Amino acid sequence: EFQLVESGGGSVQPGRSLRLSCAASGFKFDDYGMHWVRQVSGRGLEWVSSISWNSNSIEYADSVKGRFTISRDNAKNSLYLQMNSLRGDDTALYFCTKMTDYGDYFDSWGQGTLVTVSS
Amino acid sequence: DIVMTQSPESLTVALGERATIHCRSSQTVLWSSNRKNYLAWYQQRPGQSPKLLLYWASTRESGVPDRFSGSGSGTDFSLTISSLQAEDVAIYYCQQYYSSPWTFGQGTKVEI
Repeated sequence: EFQLVESGGGSVQPGRSLRLSCAASGFKFDDYGMHWVRQVSGRGLEWVSSISWNSNSIEYADSVKGRFTISRDNAKNSLYLQMNSLRGDDTALYFCTKMTDYGDYFDSWGQGTLVTVSS
Repeated sequence: DIVMTQSPESLTVALGERATIHCRSSQTVLWSSNRKNYLAWYQQRPGQSPKLLLYWASTRESGVPDRFSGSGSGTDFSLTISSLQAEDVAIYYCQQYYSSPWTFGQGTKVEI
């Protein structure tokens, strides 16, 4: 069974940084592209970033471009999201998700890690 | 960006009755070369992560009960729960994976 476990969330002040991690198990991690999706206030899912299996293809939502960096370590079965210059509207529950063999829809989600940006 | 619009925002349905949720995309998500609609549906129960229900607009994910069905093509889609069960209380989201940025509808809350 696929399992994704996020960590690294917390409360930070605006302008500070945070690094999220996602530990994957139950599938061959380096076969799949991965994404980060966030959710504000229990509603409103927003795709944040994606990375291909070999890190050759990376994309970001306009709202985080230039501030967030996605990366992965296939040897450690881990996905990361480095978040810099955090703003109040980055406050959300961040999910690590796995894409499928056939398209950029998500057949496995972690439980999420909460990021709160507030002074 | 493709904007996904769901209706209604919330829906109250009696146990055993039918629930239908609509999703409209601002441009087509039908890929002409393979005739597939790049549209997925998710269920998010209270306090849980989203769960994939359907993809290609109408293909059920493994383990999803057959009371869940999807229909539509191009820009207009529906998710139907044929006989609502207590465990179906949730927020339902559509998502297009036709083009980046991948976008979701705002969600439809289904209550009993």
